[in-house]
Formats: sequence, structure tokens, C-alpha cells
Amino acid sequence: EAGVAQSPRYKIIEKRQSVAFWCNPISGHATLYWYQQILGQGPKLLIQFQNNGVVDDSQLPKDRFSAERLKGVDSTLKIQPAKLEDSAVYLCASSLGFNTGELFFGEGSRLTVL
Amino acid sequence: EDKVVQSPLSLVVHEGDTVTLNCSYEVTNFRSLLWYKQEKKAPTFLFMLTSSGIEKKSGRLSSILDKKELFSILNITATQTGDSAVYLCAVSLMNYGGSQGNLIFGKGTKLSVKP
Repeated sequence: EAGVAQSPRYKIIEKRQSVAFWCNPISGHATLYWYQQILGQGPKLLIQFQNNGVVDDSQLPKDRFSAERLKGVDSTLKIQPAKLEDSAVYLCASSLGFNTGELFFGEGSRLTVL
Repeated sequence: EDKVVQSPLSLVVHEGDTVTLNCSYEVTNFRSLLWYKQEKKAPTFLFMLTSSGIEKKSGRLSSILDKKELFSILNITATQTGDSAVYLCAVSLMNYGGSQGNLIFGKGTKLSVKP
């Protein structure tokens, strides 16, 4: 079974530039999550989708971050404009349904903002 | 504010040692507690615990939850160098209606196992 796919794996940009990350969850997984993991910290939820609807985006900095999952399958996370403090690994995860605890994580996209 | 606290933050042991990692939590609407292992890549799932006092076991790893005292432990016996990783504890919250909400993660415990 293919895992959660993410791209790009690494990205270096200057502050105020924009960046987009892509995630393709495990086939058949209805729930998709984007987490931000700053070095030395645990992952922090940015947004959770159930199919193509947003379940929780309370911790998403909406002035600069946006995410979509238009067809209920793959998703993109965009940052515009980026700040230095956005340097982190952006992890995408998926789960089979809304009530299952086990999340399957992708390998992450490491962002460095200079 | 919901929080998950792990201790110790880092730990260095020698192969063959037994280690205990701790996770305490203060959250509203607890649903379950999960342990993940994170090497240099994605976190991989270890255990999900929902009931107090029932030990979950997988090989040399085991975990138990105490919902009265609000903590969990992860034990690793006969450690090997391949156990070196960051171990993340996360608490799953319950949304209104009983469905699963957000996962709140601790900062992790970095375990280094020396030969």
C-alpha cells in the first residue's frame, strides 16, 4: 500500500516569498491533516479536512496560510508571504475516517525561510 | 489550555538497558492517547490507548494508560541502537458529537541508545 506522498521534500525561500506544498493521502483515506513541526517541538495541527470540507482550522494563521482539498483527495498548503518563523517541517497525515485514532504521516516538507 | 508534557526530554542509555518514557496530559474531552516513533522522517504509529490499566504490547515495547492520574508510560526493554529516535506522545480530543478531533502532541523524548 502506498503511503502519504508529499512534495517538495525541501524548500528554501526568502522572507516575503510564497511557497506551496502538496500532499496525496493514502487511497481511500477521508481525513487529511496538515501539521507544522518546528525544530525541537511536537507537531502542531494547522488544518484538518474531512473529504473536501474543513473540520478544524482554528490554529491556521489565515492572514498568510491557506489550504485546500478541492476534490477530497490531494491537498495543497500555501504560505504567502513567508516569515522567518515559518521555518519548519510541514507534515501531512491521513486517516481512514473521522473516528480512527491512527494517523499515517508523510515524510514531510522541510521549509527554510531566510 | 490543552497540553501534553513528556519527560524526560532526552535520554541516553546503553544497549540492553530498559527505559521508561513518561507522558502526562491536561485536556478537555479526552478520547485516546497515542504513541509515535519519529526517526529522521515521518512519525510512525506505535500504540493507541483508550482504557485505563490495559497494557498494550508489541515486541519489546509496551504502554499503559492511567486515566485517573492522567498519564501514560512507554517501556522499551532490552534496548537496541535501532530504538534511537524521538518518541512522541499525542492525545486525541473528542469533538462535539463524539467524533475525533485534533491530536495534541508533546515535545517528544529523544532517546539515544549507545552500543
